[in-house]
Amino acid sequence: AQSVSQHNHHVILSEAASLELGCNYSYGGTVNLFWYVQYPGQHLQLLLKYFSGDPLVKGIKGFEAEFIKSKFSFNLRKPSVQWSDTAEYFCAVNSYNQGGKLIFGQGTELSVKP
Amino acid sequence: EAQVTQNPRYLITVTGKKLTVTCSQNMNHEYMSWYRQDPGLGLRQIYYSMNVEVTDKGDVPEGYKVSRKEKRNFPLILESPSPNQTSLYFCASRTGVGNYGYTFGSGTRLTVV
Repeated sequence: AQSVSQHNHHVILSEAASLELGCNYSYGGTVNLFWYVQYPGQHLQLLLKYFSGDPLVKGIKGFEAEFIKSKFSFNLRKPSVQWSDTAEYFCAVNSYNQGGKLIFGQGTELSVKP
Repeated sequence: EAQVTQNPRYLITVTGKKLTVTCSQNMNHEYMSWYRQDPGLGLRQIYYSMNVEVTDKGDVPEGYKVSRKEKRNFPLILESPSPNQTSLYFCASRTGVGNYGYTFGSGTRLTVV
């Protein structure tokens, strides 16, 4: 069965620090990969997505993610975080032939200290 | 404005009393889905639908029903709610071609006492 694993449950950073959140998935076929963000009390918003092509994808608010197929990973990065990045971040995967089924990781809570 | 609308936003109910959470999207999306969010477990898919009258189970379908009689609506039905269904529920939709990213509704916080 497909699964998604996010390594960090809670990350605490100071403003201007660099961020990297880990995401690994288990599925051998072609996948689509996503990162979503959930600000406190709000619904999920799409940060970025990867379908094919350049494995380094750029999303909104200065976030980027790199797909490394050999490592089944899709880590999220940001060079310099801001207090407003405080939120929960979810990695998600769906397989190419199961379009409706989107599987999420457990989430990583990011707290940025001003 | 393109959106997914869920109602109600908050609901407190008693064990065994049937309830329905509505979900509607105005983007003519083929796919719709229901998730529940619980602390430490992330989002788990309950049911999803690929189009009208086509639904399939997600990872945690027990205790839930869905229907897709119209393209825009995808209600979630709890025939006999139990306290372990206390959770935050999200409806989502996406187009069936090209972009595979789901658009999420604002959520429904359900408490079953």
